[in-house]
Amino acid sequence: NAGVTQTPKFRVLKTGQSMTLLCAQDMNHEYMYWYRQDPGMGLRLIHYSVGEGTTAKGEVPDGYNVSRLKKQNFLLGLESAAPSQTSVYFCASSLRQGLNEKLFFGSGTQLSVL
Amino acid sequence: AQKVTQAQTEISVVEKEDVTLDCVYETRDTTYYLFWYKQPPSGELVFLIRRNSFDEQNEISGRYSWNFQKSTSSFNFTITASQVVDSAVYFCALSEAREYGNKLVFGAGTILRVKS
Repeated sequence: NAGVTQTPKFRVLKTGQSMTLLCAQDMNHEYMYWYRQDPGMGLRLIHYSVGEGTTAKGEVPDGYNVSRLKKQNFLLGLESAAPSQTSVYFCASSLRQGLNEKLFFGSGTQLSVL
Repeated sequence: AQKVTQAQTEISVVEKEDVTLDCVYETRDTTYYLFWYKQPPSGELVFLIRRNSFDEQNEISGRYSWNFQKSTSSFNFTITASQVVDSAVYFCALSEAREYGNKLVFGAGTILRVKS
């Protein structure tokens, strides 16, 4: 069972470079999310999507863009990376968006921006 | 003010000890859900339990138990007879309804180290 797959697992960028993180889920989930995890701050929502072709801003969207061209994929882009974007990035998905809905997470992407 | 507070940054115990992870939350909503997720060394977060705001019954699942008390806004997690495999980061989270959709807020996490 693949679940939620993130690529790449590790990446080092120089300030100003761009990159795209890919998230793929095979559970036919409608909702997908991108979080970043920083020490002492838990997980914070960057962007999310409620379905194919839709995206919305989360808690910390600045400096990131997303796209959901296909239901199973959710891409996170950094147009001009900054050291403040050094973090671990997690993609998650859920079948619905109910209050009680549990999220399924990928294994994370560790990004360092020098 | 932080919505979900996990005051214990890191806990170290010896195998077979019992350990309680604290979680205190803040909300004005009457309907909400609380969650616990586990992040093992492999990285991905794994769902452990959810509890709705109307159900204050404690829950036990094997060595795990959860104590939800609305009077103190707490949702604490106890591991009985801890094992090395319990070593992980544990996150408490609060799910609230908002006009733009539901919002899931995570605590900062508690690192649990179980030594053999």
